[in-house]
Amino acid sequence: AQSVSQHNHHVILSEAASLELGCNYSYGGTVNLFWYVQYPGQHLQLLLKYFSGDPLVKGIKGFEAEFIKSKFSFNLRKPSVQWSDTAEYFCAVRGTGGFKTIFGAGTRLFVKA
Amino acid sequence: EAGVAQSPRYKIIEKRQSVAFWCNPISGHATLYWYQQILGQGPKLLIQFQNNGVVDDSQLPKDRFSAERLKGVDSTLKIQPAKLEDSAVYLCASSLESRQGDGYTFGSGTRLTVV
Repeated sequence: AQSVSQHNHHVILSEAASLELGCNYSYGGTVNLFWYVQYPGQHLQLLLKYFSGDPLVKGIKGFEAEFIKSKFSFNLRKPSVQWSDTAEYFCAVRGTGGFKTIFGAGTRLFVKA
Repeated sequence: EAGVAQSPRYKIIEKRQSVAFWCNPISGHATLYWYQQILGQGPKLLIQFQNNGVVDDSQLPKDRFSAERLKGVDSTLKIQPAKLEDSAVYLCASSLESRQGDGYTFGSGTRLTVV
C-alpha cells in the first residue's frame, strides 16, 4: 500500500535561511510525486511535480525538489526563504499503476521576518 | 481560467443531521475528487470520478456518505447522518484527466463542524 511520511510537522526559520522539508514514500512501483502548498486562508496549490526524467524538479517561487529513487525520497528545498513562504506544505505520491494520490500529514512552516 | 468552485464555505450542523456539499470543477476536467482533511492531517481521498463514473470509492464510508456526479460535471457529496468525527474540511479537486503526472486543482473547501 502507498504511504507518505513527512518528517517535520512544524518548522520555524528566519528569513534568508535555507529550507529543506523531508518526504519519504512507500510504494513498490513507479511513482509520480508532488508538493502542494497551502498559504493561510487559501486553497491547496500545486508547487511542483515529478513525472519522469531529470530527478531535480524546479517549481514556482524558487522551490525545487529532488527525487532520490534509492531512498524513496522527494525532499523540498529553497535556498533562502521569505516571510511570504509561511504556509503548510504537503508531499503527495501517486503510483503510476493506479489513480489514487496519497498525501502526507503536512509540514507547517513559519518564517520569522 | 476559473478555479474549482465549492459551496458552502462553512457549515455547522448537529450530529445525526444531514448535509450536502457542492462542487463545480474546472471546465473540461474529466476527473473529480473529493478529499476529507481532518485538522492536523493531510487530505484523504474519499471518492474519485472519471466523467460520471466512480473510479475509486474504497475509503468512502458508504453507510453514511454518498456522492454523485451527474452529467460528468458538477458533483455533490452528502453525509447522512453526520457524526462528530466528520468535522473536517471537505475538498474538491479536479484534473484534466487521470493520466500520469497531472496535478490537481483544488477548491477552497467546505469546513464542516458537527456539534
